[in-house]
Amino acid sequence: EVVLTQSPGTLSLFPGERATLSCRASQTISYSYLAWYQQKPGQAPRLLIYATSSKASGIPDRFSGSGSGTDFTLTISTLEPEDFAVYYCLQSGSSPWTFGQGTKVEIK
Amino acid sequence: QVHLRESGPGLVKPSETLSLTCTVSGGSIISYYWGWIRQSAGKGLEWVGHVYSSGKTSYNPSLKSRVTMSVDTSKNQLSLNLTSVTAADTAVYYCARILYTFGPAAFDVWGQGAQVTVSS
Repeated sequence: EVVLTQSPGTLSLFPGERATLSCRASQTISYSYLAWYQQKPGQAPRLLIYATSSKASGIPDRFSGSGSGTDFTLTISTLEPEDFAVYYCLQSGSSPWTFGQGTKVEIK
Repeated sequence: QVHLRESGPGLVKPSETLSLTCTVSGGSIISYYWGWIRQSAGKGLEWVGHVYSSGKTSYNPSLKSRVTMSVDTSKNQLSLNLTSVTAADTAVYYCARILYTFGPAAFDVWGQGAQVTVSS
């Protein structure tokens, strides 16, 4: 099973700052099978990025993804108030599909 | 715009079977993969499995002996059955459509989720 480790666990930032979230895999993942989600309380996760760097429909340009092999990054260039949430990575390259444990981005 | 809605009992007794239905509106289930994901406080997000519109399935090995997924194309619905449940199966269960790139890749449209509690 591929274990995804997200860091940091919590990121405390001001609106307007840049957020950099990490997702590290225990084994190499094809770039095609790494996605990022945003989840707000009481809501289902929302797809932000798929295939490492492709933006899902309707996702603002301030969100971007990068990485390869075992190290992947989600960057939010300028935090807006609505971006404070929990973010998860997902790998779908091998069974079982697995999620990271999440990074909470909170207002400082 | 595709919309998914989970339905089923919110309370299931230990050792019984959890059954959920996901109704898809605004689009056909044909030619898509559809997944089930659950989320609990203790284990975070967990992939339960997925099913193609033809009925082909892929299950999480940790649940494989207890889970069955199916599709009903005439009703535009998918279903999940999980047998012999315990308190560890208490979670919010989501159904979701799967985005296909070079293979089934990511969940792109989600239902609102259904809370299922296992308790006597």
